[in-house]
Amino acid sequence: GAVVSQHPSWVICKSGTSVKIECRSLDFQATTMFWYRQFPKQSLMLMATSNEGSKATYEQGVEKDKFLINHASLTLSTLTVTSAHPEDSSFYICSAHPGGGGGRETQYFGPGTRLLVL
Amino acid sequence: GIQVEQSPPDLILQEGANSTLRCNFSDSVNNLQWFHQNPWGQLINLFYIPSGTKQNGRLSATTVATERYSLLYISSSQTTDSGVYFCAVERTDSWGKFQFGAGTQVVVTP
Repeated sequence: GAVVSQHPSWVICKSGTSVKIECRSLDFQATTMFWYRQFPKQSLMLMATSNEGSKATYEQGVEKDKFLINHASLTLSTLTVTSAHPEDSSFYICSAHPGGGGGRETQYFGPGTRLLVL
Repeated sequence: GIQVEQSPPDLILQEGANSTLRCNFSDSVNNLQWFHQNPWGQLINLFYIPSGTKQNGRLSATTVATERYSLLYISSSQTTDSGVYFCAVERTDSWGKFQFGAGTQVVVTP
């Protein structure tokens, strides 16, 4: 099946720094990617939808200036957590959809990135 | 928005036992999927099942769309079945956007 990778798999940073997380579709082109956040022992919450070549759309309550999303190519979306603080520590997961007539079920999830802000 | 409720929140099984996980949703949906999240966090797609019944090995799922619920059956459970099982439905207002339930934490003991 299709593969989605994320890099890095985990990151530890100091409070106030910015962290970039990459989401790549390895063997297909993804016109749409989604970013989710999961706090410990909780469910996944959708943060934003990333469309290639256009601005991301954010869910209510998600600060777009805090979580910068760039979908510059059909295989790469990046999430940058700006001026990270301890409360941003979480597990970030992306998913990718190939579009182009792919069925609704053809959405593939990455392995996630664990962020710890000290 | 659509509400997704899963039960039970936790389940402890002895190896070899059978179990049923339930997912209730509050509105009509175009897409319902069951996922297994392994201990490393990877989400594994188990079933795409907006309606009807599907089986894959020891796992099967049934969705009764008219009554807004879905069931995931685990038969002859194994320790590798441990993890969190999520039900997710696609919001009718936005293609591709999943609303996840809170999950069921399953622990299978030897």
